[in-house]
Amino acid sequence: EVQLVESGGGLVQPGGSLRLSCAASGFTFSSYAMTWVRQAPGKGLEWVSLIGGSSGPTYYADSVKGRFIVSRDNSRATFYLQMSSLRPEDTAGYYCAKGGLVGSTYYFDSWGQGTLVTVSS
Amino acid sequence: SSELTQPPSVSVSPGQTSTITCSGHKLGNKYVFWYQQKPGQSPVLVIYQDNKRPSGIPERFSGSNSGNTATLTISGTQPFDEADYYCQAWDISAAVFGGGTKLTVL
Repeated sequence: EVQLVESGGGLVQPGGSLRLSCAASGFTFSSYAMTWVRQAPGKGLEWVSLIGGSSGPTYYADSVKGRFIVSRDNSRATFYLQMSSLRPEDTAGYYCAKGGLVGSTYYFDSWGQGTLVTVSS
Repeated sequence: SSELTQPPSVSVSPGQTSTITCSGHKLGNKYVFWYQQKPGQSPVLVIYQDNKRPSGIPERFSGSNSGNTATLTISGTQPFDEADYYCQAWDISAAVFGGGTKLTVL
């Protein structure tokens, strides 16, 4: 059974940094893309970033490009999102999800429970 | 990146067929995926690659995609199908989600 457990969320001041982690189990982690999707309170889903299987490639939403960095440690089956220069509009629940691939199209077939990030002074 | 447009809400009576649309430029040329999210829960993939169901998803859920519109259809809608539904596509180097549709089963 696929399990994804996010951690690292919390309250941070504007301009601050935070690193989210996603611990994976139940599948061959290194073989799959992993993604972060966020959801502001009461709002819809917003894709944030994706890292391909093994060690890349990486993709980012325009709203986070240059501020967020996605990475993975296949030896630990863990996936990360380093967030810097945080803004109040980054406040959201952040989900990690396992990527599926059909052709050159990514989708998200298993999701974690999410971790809440609040950016406020 | 491209945009995907969904109706904000759809209402149906139990047992009826629910139809949720997702519109985008030449969407029929891309694969579309559908996610169900119930209040306080994480999203769940219900349709992938336009019309395929993951294991464990009831046959009542089906999908289609042609032209500029993809459609999620739920036959014999049940009260527990009440949820937010999101479509998703991949646009060259980014994932795009629709704004979501709240399905209400009256």
